[in-house]
Amino acid sequence: DGGITQSPKYLFRKEGQNVTLSCEQNLNHDAMYWYRQDPGQGLRLIYYSQIVNDFQKGDIAEGYSVSREKKESFPLTVTSAQKNPTAFYLCASSISDSLGYGYTFGSGTRLTVV
Amino acid sequence: LAKTTQPISMDSYEGQEVNITCSHNNIATNDYITWYQQFPSQGPRFIIQGYKTKVTNEVASLFIPADRKSSTLSLPRVSLSDTAVYYCLVSISGDYKLSFGAGTTVTVRA
Repeated sequence: DGGITQSPKYLFRKEGQNVTLSCEQNLNHDAMYWYRQDPGQGLRLIYYSQIVNDFQKGDIAEGYSVSREKKESFPLTVTSAQKNPTAFYLCASSISDSLGYGYTFGSGTRLTVV
Repeated sequence: LAKTTQPISMDSYEGQEVNITCSHNNIATNDYITWYQQFPSQGPRFIIQGYKTKVTNEVASLFIPADRKSSTLSLPRVSLSDTAVYYCLVSISGDYKLSFGAGTTVTVRA
């Protein structure tokens, strides 16, 4: 079955550590996205990538970094510079010009700072 | 991106029809209206998209008046499993950034 796989489902980070969240898709989608969701709030865009080896900052990119070396993969690193990283992180993908139609989301990674 | 406004929450009972209205007063000519559904601890799921008039699929209907400044998502005969957050978005060709507001939390009771 085609879809997006995010791992791990739960992640615990100590203060000052960098952690990397994995996102893999086998839908042959060109575009991929990372969103952050805090309790009771909507999704906020962190980074997005339209093609391999290219990505753009979203609304809340500070303290995060990404790479897009393969079409299928778009890992997100939460760095120690992100002061409040505890949140639910969602990865999504779409065809190049989807008009918002048919975004496919992963099942998310819940990150907690301990 | 056009800003959207929708109710924070709505309550309903099983078997009833739920209508969620979204305002998007500054929608542009090339914008489409899209609705997503999100269950707790899951990613949003596409429900329906439309440009004008009425669109219907196996899950919902979307009503868009001629001025397109609002739209209404209609969920027929809801069940407990329809309890979720529903997001209204406007999207334009060539703009990859979908903006999700707080959405409408729909609670269906037995």
